[in-house]
Amino acid sequence: GQQLNQSPQSMFIQEGEDVSMNCTSSSIFNTWLWYKQDPGEGPVLLIALYKAGELTSNGRLTAQFGITRKDSFLNISASIPSDVGIYFCAGREAGTALIFGKGTTLSVSS
Amino acid sequence: DAGVIQSPRHEVTEMGQEVTLRCKPISGHNSLFWYRQTMMRGLELLIYFNNNVPIDDSGMPEDRFSAKMPNASFSTLKIQPSEPRDSAVYFCASTDNSNTGELFFGEGSRLTVL
Repeated sequence: GQQLNQSPQSMFIQEGEDVSMNCTSSSIFNTWLWYKQDPGEGPVLLIALYKAGELTSNGRLTAQFGITRKDSFLNISASIPSDVGIYFCAGREAGTALIFGKGTTLSVSS
Repeated sequence: DAGVIQSPRHEVTEMGQEVTLRCKPISGHNSLFWYRQTMMRGLELLIYFNNNVPIDDSGMPEDRFSAKMPNASFSTLKIQPSEPRDSAVYFCASTDNSNTGELFFGEGSRLTVL
């Protein structure tokens, strides 16, 4: 079945540093999404990508849909304490349900 | 606008008891998904519905799990009998099926089976 590999599993950074995380899939996707989950809450959509090569920004966040359609990355610039949480990539092939990576837990120290 | 509403937020029960989790999707959304989240396995899709019809239940762990969607505004996930390994956070999510794949999640139901 489909598999999503997300890395790194966790990151510990200083406030102000940039962060990068990525996901790779075993199959070709037509949609990549990035979500953030705060403690005790459900995941919330950050960025959605629909075309190979697409690069999209949302404030300090930037994500790209890989050219091969089997990978995506998320960058966070100038991290702040409220960036703490779990970041999930998610993807889907046409006509299938969304599957999720196992998440990247981000810790930011001030 | 109200988001996806799940209840209960927390449930603690004893092994062997029946558990029913409830979900109200966002009004106008016609696809509903149940996910289970654990530390070991992350977010796993259990089942999803389109227009109240179950489409894919291959993620349902075993016969102890069942899900229904009697109408467009309500779904239940039932575990009978419950076991300690069922302890997890169960999320319901919905989408308007515009083929964009953007899911909107509820706040989850944290289940602990003793």
